[in-house]
Amino acid sequence: GNSVTQMEGPVTLSEEAFLTINCTYTATGYPSLFWYVQYPGEGLQLLLKATKADDKGSNKGFEATYRKETTSFHLEKGSVQVSDSAVYFCALSDRTGNQFYFGTGTSLTVIP
Amino acid sequence: GAVVSQHPSRVICKSGTSVKIECRSLDFQATTMFWYRQFPKQSLMLMATSNEGSKATYEQGVEKDKFLINHASLTLSTLTVTSAHPEDSSFYICSAQPWDLAKNIQYFGAGTRLSVL
Repeated sequence: GNSVTQMEGPVTLSEEAFLTINCTYTATGYPSLFWYVQYPGEGLQLLLKATKADDKGSNKGFEATYRKETTSFHLEKGSVQVSDSAVYFCALSDRTGNQFYFGTGTSLTVIP
Repeated sequence: GAVVSQHPSRVICKSGTSVKIECRSLDFQATTMFWYRQFPKQSLMLMATSNEGSKATYEQGVEKDKFLINHASLTLSTLTVTSAHPEDSSFYICSAQPWDLAKNIQYFGAGTRLSVL
């Protein structure tokens, strides 16, 4: 079956530090992969996505590369800001997009 | 970009009352909308999938008589929590899937925090 495993948090970093949040997946077929971000008290916002192997999704300085050989989609950012403090969810969907599978979320706090 | 509006953002109600939550796609038509429930510090749990003009498909363990879903148009789905009890207190999030864009995208509403006293 399909599932997503992401690193547990919480993660606390100083401003301008490098961020990595690990995400691995199990899937049948060829899923699409996503990172969503949830700010306090809000719903989820799509941060970036990749639809096939070796694709790199990027947005707002965040990047993640679809690695089929390691079944991973790790989220990275070179220099985090206080405003990046949020919960980050890794997710995958099957080709139809009708079924999404979410990881448990990783809480990130960036301190000045 | 695609916007999904969810209303209300927060509701407090007495035990035994019913609460309706609306989910609207503002600038696109959504053939499919999804309802999720999120418990504190946990991930989203899919409750049901609704397709315009047909009955919703509920996930295992979700009571369809408790959580009534209506998807009357391509831009509106509603979730009604009937006879709410304190254990129904949670964060409910809807999402919508555009029919004319990349199919494997879901756009999320901002969520509704339900507190049942």
